[in-house]
Amino acid sequence: EAQVTQNPRYLITVTGKKLTVTCSQNMNHEYMSWYRQDPGLGLRQIYYSMNVEVTDKGDVPEGYKVSRKEKRNFPLILESPSPNQTSLYFCASSHGQSNEKLFFGSGTQLSVL
Amino acid sequence: DAKTTQPNSMESNEEEPVHLPCNHSTISGTDYIHWYRQLPSQGPEYVIHGLTSNVNNRMASLAIAEDRKSSTLILHRATLRDAAVYYCILRGIYGNKLVFGAGTILRVKS
Repeated sequence: EAQVTQNPRYLITVTGKKLTVTCSQNMNHEYMSWYRQDPGLGLRQIYYSMNVEVTDKGDVPEGYKVSRKEKRNFPLILESPSPNQTSLYFCASSHGQSNEKLFFGSGTQLSVL
Repeated sequence: DAKTTQPNSMESNEEEPVHLPCNHSTISGTDYIHWYRQLPSQGPEYVIHGLTSNVNNRMASLAIAEDRKSSTLILHRATLRDAAVYYCILRGIYGNKLVFGAGTILRVKS
């Protein structure tokens, strides 16, 4: 089954404790992206990647890191999480052309205390 | 980055058609118009996309204005399961930085 898998589904952590949210896709997609969703603000793009070893900033990259060492994986790293990073996070993937549809993961609800 | 403008919310009666508008006055010639929806407690899911011509699929229809500066997602018979947030986005040939915005909250009354 074609899917984008995020883990964990829920995460509670404390300020400053490094964490990684994983994202994996099984569709051989070139493009992967991370979004955060906050009430009233819709989906805001954090980082995206067009292919292995190619990443770029979205609209809200501060406080986040990503890596794309393999085509199927695109982890989101919070080196020193802060409470303002409490949010619902979504990973998405697609083939790279503009007429290709995005597939989204089920989301990761992160709480930073 | 090309942006879209959508109403904050809309309401519809069950079994009636719904027309969800989207303005994208800064669209470029190679931008595709995509629509996604997000059901409660789920990730967004693809609905439909198009470039210039109107498009139909099993979920909805997409009507694109002749000048491409606006489009309308049409749900032919709204059901309670269609209650969701609907997002209209543009994706271009360098379309990696995708701007979703807040979308339109669709409420369906029984």
